[in-house]
Amino acid sequence: AQSVTQLDSQVPVFEEAPVELRCNYSSSVSVYLFWYVQYPNQGLQLLLKYLSGSTLVESINGFEAEFNKSQTSFHLRKPSVHISDTAEYFCAVSEIQGAQKLVFGQGTRLTINP
Amino acid sequence: NAGVTQTPKFRILKIGQSMTLQCTQDMNHNYMYWYRQDPGMGLKLIYYSVGAGITDKGEVPNGYNVSRSTTEDFPLRLELAAPSQTSVYFCASSQSGQARETQYFGPGTRLLVL
Repeated sequence: AQSVTQLDSQVPVFEEAPVELRCNYSSSVSVYLFWYVQYPNQGLQLLLKYLSGSTLVESINGFEAEFNKSQTSFHLRKPSVHISDTAEYFCAVSEIQGAQKLVFGQGTRLTINP
Repeated sequence: NAGVTQTPKFRILKIGQSMTLQCTQDMNHNYMYWYRQDPGMGLKLIYYSVGAGITDKGEVPNGYNVSRSTTEDFPLRLELAAPSQTSVYFCASSQSGQARETQYFGPGTRLLVL
């Protein structure tokens, strides 16, 4: 079985500041890793995912996440945030083998202050 | 294109009442999922379906039933509502259910059981 821990339930930052949202996972088997974002009053949507290859993955809106196998982490970063990044961010994992069953972390609420 | 739609957006139920949460997708996806999201918690899988006529339990199926008569629709039924079922419910879909796939989420149904 897998588990996902997001270490911060809320992260307030000022606009144009850098941000890191932390995610650690536990699994006895190999997993794929995902970050989903939930904007206010909307459903979740995929931000980025790590499947294989380069451990640094990027999204189209400037976020990046780095897979660290030794530390079982998949932290999400952005060098300069905007008001529009205000949302809840969920880290999730899925076993590589078999059908997808996502296991989600508790979520981190990112609030951007002007 | 609508993607994944859910109705209703919000509902208040009395203890013991029943209701059906509707979910429809127009992407011709084979896999569909129901999750619940409790405050401060990640999403937990209730039921999923790999195609019309085939459903299976997820992590928290007790108190719920599902059916999948068509590719497009995946309703979730609560037979005897309990306060513990107060939550936000999300429906999602994916093309083939492979572990690497992106899931597409609906906007959610907020349910309050009093």
